[in-house]
Amino acid sequence: TQLLEQSPQFLSIQEGENLTVYCNSSSVFSSLQWYRQEPGEGPVLLVTVVTGGEVKKLKRLTFQFGDARKDSSLHITAAQPGDTGLYLCAGRLSGNTPLVFGKGTRLSVIA
Amino acid sequence: DSGVTQTPKHLITATGQRVTLRCSPRSGDLSVYWYQQSLDQGLQFLIHYYNGEERAKGNILERFSAQQFPDLHSELNLSSLELGDSALYFCASSPTGTEFGKLFFGSGTQLSVL
Repeated sequence: TQLLEQSPQFLSIQEGENLTVYCNSSSVFSSLQWYRQEPGEGPVLLVTVVTGGEVKKLKRLTFQFGDARKDSSLHITAAQPGDTGLYLCAGRLSGNTPLVFGKGTRLSVIA
Repeated sequence: DSGVTQTPKHLITATGQRVTLRCSPRSGDLSVYWYQQSLDQGLQFLIHYYNGEERAKGNILERFSAQQFPDLHSELNLSSLELGDSALYFCASSPTGTEFGKLFFGSGTQLSVL
């Protein structure tokens, strides 16, 4: 069983649309991260959230950590083709434990 | 460029063979992590080394082993290879201090076992 469940698995949208992807768990995480991975490359860190209810913005991307620190969401406003990629959430159960990854949401933004 | 170097980028081999994947972490990073990525399992944690010492093990098969050398580069050894070992293998390094917890990934080694 996967500790972090991401939904949807696949998402194909038109340029300019808004979207939200989700990362859910029944476990509590000390911190949660979001990565983006493009074909042929390794994941690249976008953000780290550590406090329940925390909201962070990175240009058109808004990340939220759930109040109970069991879930997170990523909202993209006015998606662009450059946003295309695999979005991965990853969490630590406690300070020094290895990062556990979800299987990701594969986003395709069509011009 | 993450600053993490992995070689080779592609590796094609036969079942039963042994291969070694190499990783050079970012300058100054003491931690090296190995992950395996496949379509059905996603990114799976294999093993973590810190300054030459093994710190944590994940879903790493007994046929696989790793080490981190005094110059901090790491190698992942995969032996008695099976078709199911075909996957992308990533190395990531992590700093200490204020950037603790961030992983910087290399570009990966695509292993194909035929």
